[in-house]
Amino acid sequence: GENVEQHPSTLSVQEGDSAVIKCTYSDSASNYFPWYKQELGKRPQLIIDIRSNVGEKKDQRIAVTLNKTAKHFSLHITETQPEDSAVYFCAAEPIYGGSQGNLIFGKGTKLSVKP
Amino acid sequence: KAGVTQTPRYLIKTRGQQVTLSCSPISGHRSVSWYQQTPGQGLQFLFEYFSETQRNKGNFPGRFSGRQFSNSRSEMNVSTLELGDSALYLCASSLDPGVGSPLHFGNGTRLTVT
Repeated sequence: GENVEQHPSTLSVQEGDSAVIKCTYSDSASNYFPWYKQELGKRPQLIIDIRSNVGEKKDQRIAVTLNKTAKHFSLHITETQPEDSAVYFCAAEPIYGGSQGNLIFGKGTKLSVKP
Repeated sequence: KAGVTQTPRYLIKTRGQQVTLSCSPISGHRSVSWYQQTPGQGLQFLFEYFSETQRNKGNFPGRFSGRQFSNSRSEMNVSTLELGDSALYLCASSLDPGVGSPLHFGNGTRLTVT
């Protein structure tokens, strides 16, 4: 089945710097890749997603890139702010007969942005 | 629009007991998924329901079960609780049954098994 690996597990940056989190997946049939942000004690919240027919997607300071050939995708956060501090999860959705809701998550990256 | 609602927020149970968790999806959402979150294993898929039918199931023992009602509300049950079942159980709903529909998570139920 699908397996998602996420790196790094922890990331510390200075406010204003960029942060990059990388994920690889194993099932070439997966075609939906969301990113979730989870602040301490709160629910995971979708921040951006990308589908396999798109190579890059941006939303203000956040961007995601997808390389289908290499089976990896990355989250880029520019001009980081202290409120970006959280755990970020990548995920891939394998295809099983067209069903959905079966996301396979990476182990998460704890991002700390120092003022 | 109200978000995904999970009850209760916290539960403390003893080994061997059983527990039922409840989830109300966002109005209009017909798909409900359940995930277990632990520090060691991260977020792991339990099962997904659509129109009262279980469409997908993760790699969990048969002690974990669920169901969905005609109003899309869902419950999950864990029988014969073990210490390792202590976790945050997250419910998520989505609008479109097609592949690639964003999931919206609830705040979860924190289960502690002693």
